[in-house]
Amino acid sequence: GDSVTQMEGPVTLSEEAFLTINCTYTATGYPSLFWYVQYPGEGLQLLLKATKADDKGSNKGFEATYRKETTSFHLEKGSVQVSDSAVYFCALPRGGLTGGGNKLTFGTGTQLKVEL
Amino acid sequence: DGGITQSPKYLFRKEGQNVTLSCEQNLNHDAMYWYRQDPGQGLRLIYYSQIVNDFQKGDIAEGYSVSREKKESFPLTVTSAQKNPTAFYLCASSHINSRTAYGYTFGSGTRLTVV
Repeated sequence: GDSVTQMEGPVTLSEEAFLTINCTYTATGYPSLFWYVQYPGEGLQLLLKATKADDKGSNKGFEATYRKETTSFHLEKGSVQVSDSAVYFCALPRGGLTGGGNKLTFGTGTQLKVEL
Repeated sequence: DGGITQSPKYLFRKEGQNVTLSCEQNLNHDAMYWYRQDPGQGLRLIYYSQIVNDFQKGDIAEGYSVSREKKESFPLTVTSAQKNPTAFYLCASSHINSRTAYGYTFGSGTRLTVV
């Protein structure tokens, strides 16, 4: 079935370091791909998305490029801040682009800790 | 502002007791979802609904029940049959479109603890 695999955390970085969180997927067809962020004690927020191959989603300095050749959607940021400390989830809709009822499958999440 | 509201933020349940978690949205979204979040396990789908008076089981529906009497509301009942209910519960909503996948809007969650 459709699934996403994320790198395990926690990822600990110093402020202003470069961030990469890996996400690879297995899916039928070419689904939209999403990154969500969860701050402590809160729900998830949509961070960015890409709807087709070679699309780049971006928001708040974060970027991710939809690469069908490597079935990947890695999250990157050039210079992280302490306020970026959170858990990041990669997600895709089940059943392909038209996915049954738009159900999303989430990765297990990657915790990011940014230190001064 | 439009959004999705979950209540209560914290909930304590005694053994053998049923409890109901509230979820209300004013985004005019057709679909609503309940997920359970446990440490290290990501999010698992409990139930979802695409239309009023209709809902489907997700991956871990046993011990849970839902209703969808209004478009705006999708309450989740955790029954005494759920043997390990302690978790963080997240409600979400989204538009539905047959040609694209919409992202979800999430509530801020309810933390349920068995005492």
